[in-house]
Amino acid sequence: GQQLNQSPQSMFIQEGEDVSMNCTSSSIFNTWLWYKQEPGEGPVLLIALYKAGELTSNGRLTAQFGITRKDSFLNISASIPSDVGIYFCAGQPSSNTDKLIFGTGTRLQVFP
Amino acid sequence: DVKVTQSSRYLVKRTGEKVFLECVQDMDHENMFWYRQDPGLGLRLIYFSYDVKMKEKGDIPEGYSVSREKKERFSLILESASTNQTSMYLCASSRPPGAQHFGDGTRLSIL
Repeated sequence: GQQLNQSPQSMFIQEGEDVSMNCTSSSIFNTWLWYKQEPGEGPVLLIALYKAGELTSNGRLTAQFGITRKDSFLNISASIPSDVGIYFCAGQPSSNTDKLIFGTGTRLQVFP
Repeated sequence: DVKVTQSSRYLVKRTGEKVFLECVQDMDHENMFWYRQDPGLGLRLIYFSYDVKMKEKGDIPEGYSVSREKKERFSLILESASTNQTSMYLCASSRPPGAQHFGDGTRLSIL
């Protein structure tokens, strides 16, 4: 199946640094979602975006729905060790389906 | 908070066995989904259901079937388990057009 282009694939950063990752698609989406998955667990929803241009925050996390509807980014400010995990973007390609297309994931490692 | 509960966190079965994975959600969501997750392949949709007794094939339905007799419960069935079905299985639910919420996953090993 189709996957979204998500970058970077992995990041190794020091505690306190800011993090930025993004997802791009060749087609437009109605919804963009960001999930975090820790080892052995299911993905947990972080932020949901439903309108082009929308900017939404959840604590230290901020995500934006790109104005072209073909991309989205996630920022994490002042990273802490518990931010470690794999971050996935997901997009809903049309209003006719509730199926999602998933990104390939960004593995984040935070060093104290 | 949405709660999606998968019946087992870890399961070990033998080749040829019929395997049932159960998923229950407590938010009255219309949609339910089954995925498998493998390293390097990401999340792949097996089946989804948009209503009781309704189902639709995902990207990789071969070797699997599903059952949705009640709105809150969605079962994934491996008719005759094979070693290539060893994987992490994830259930999710959503209310259209909302986000999908996932369970903790079942790590299934077929020996």
